[in-house]
Amino acid sequence: DAGVIQSPRHEVTEMGQEVTLRCKPISGHDYLFWYRQTMMRGLELLIYFNNNVPIDDSGMPEDRFSAKMPNASFSTLKIQPSEPRDSAVYFCASSFYRASTDTQYFGPGTRLTVL
Amino acid sequence: AQTVTQSQPEMSVQEAETVTLSCTYDTSENNYYLFWYKQPPSRQMILVIRQEAYKQQNATENRFSVNFQKAAKSFSLKISDSQLGDTAMYFCAFIIQGAQKLVFGQGTRLTINP
Repeated sequence: DAGVIQSPRHEVTEMGQEVTLRCKPISGHDYLFWYRQTMMRGLELLIYFNNNVPIDDSGMPEDRFSAKMPNASFSTLKIQPSEPRDSAVYFCASSFYRASTDTQYFGPGTRLTVL
Repeated sequence: AQTVTQSQPEMSVQEAETVTLSCTYDTSENNYYLFWYKQPPSRQMILVIRQEAYKQQNATENRFSVNFQKAAKSFSLKISDSQLGDTAMYFCAFIIQGAQKLVFGQGTRLTINP
């Protein structure tokens, strides 16, 4: 089975532009997570979904960030407008609750650079 | 608050040696899972090994094994016969059963030298 798929792998944009990151979780997984990784703050959980419903978005840094999961196989993380401090690696992860191990499997990440 | 501490920011060993990465955590919960993730230069987060807190037996995956000491809240990773491909950042993490929030340590940068 394919792992978690993220696109794009790299994104370079200018301050003020809208950025959309995409994620396809592992088929059958019912939880989806968005993380951000920076040198200063390490790995931070931004938001997670269960069965396409956002459960906890307390990690979303500002109103400029939004996430959606329109169906079980697709999620987006949008930043509008983007700022240089948003530069980071963004990971998507998924898990299957009934596996009872709470193991999260990560995608390859999107490296975002905001100039 | 749940926390994970990795006290070794960097480690370096020769190929074929055995290396142990340290991890301690803090939680008042009794049911949880512990993980080690590897992040090579490609930045992919790869699950190395996991341990259920209710199991006394230490988990093993090929050259990777853990020393889980529940009372001491310690969860170290041992890599035997280290290989160049083991060079990576290693993150210790835990999750309270059913809570869905992984708590990560700051990572240990491991370099395997030829």
